[in-house]
Amino acid sequence: KQEVTQIPAALSVPEGENLVLNCSFTDSAIYNLQWFRQDPGKGLTSLLLIQSSQREQTSGRLNASLDKSSGRSTLYIAASQPGDSATYLCAVNAGNNRKLIWGLGTSLAVNP
Amino acid sequence: DVKVTQSSRYLVKRTGEKVFLECVQDMDHENMFWYRQDPGLGLRLIYFSYDVKMKEKGDIPEGYSVSREKKERFSLILESASTNQTSMYLCASSWTNYGYTFGSGTRLTVV
Repeated sequence: KQEVTQIPAALSVPEGENLVLNCSFTDSAIYNLQWFRQDPGKGLTSLLLIQSSQREQTSGRLNASLDKSSGRSTLYIAASQPGDSATYLCAVNAGNNRKLIWGLGTSLAVNP
Repeated sequence: DVKVTQSSRYLVKRTGEKVFLECVQDMDHENMFWYRQDPGLGLRLIYFSYDVKMKEKGDIPEGYSVSREKKERFSLILESASTNQTSMYLCASSWTNYGYTFGSGTRLTVV
């Protein structure tokens, strides 16, 4: 059974730091992995989608990598800003059943 | 831009009421999903639909039903609302094996 874990559950950093959020999954047979951002009380915003054949995706200051063999994905945020403060969730599409398996998220606080 | 629109941001309903949550997407996605999100429990799938009039139960379907009469619209129905259904409800849509797009969520309070 596929399980997704995000560590740490919470992270607090000073503005300007480069940081890495981790996502691990137990079964390497995935179709894709998606990173989302959620602001308090709001819906989810898609950040990056990595298909199983890809190693990484980039969007602005964000870079997500995927290593299926080790069951890991990382979200790298460069030069963090207070506006990056949010909860970051990763989700794995684990098969042809269209459903996602979710981590519980990392709550990020970037302090001015 | 792909849009998934949920009809209400906040709802307050009384115990026993029948509640309809509506979701509309404009990208011709075949798949649509309803989740609820609770602190410490993460996102849990209630129902999903992969085609018009087709539906499948997710992980927590009890107390809920759904309707998909048109491809762009997916409704979640609480037949008789209870206080333990107080939650954030999130709708999403996708093409199969592609990324999900979420709506802005409906915060439902049942009193």
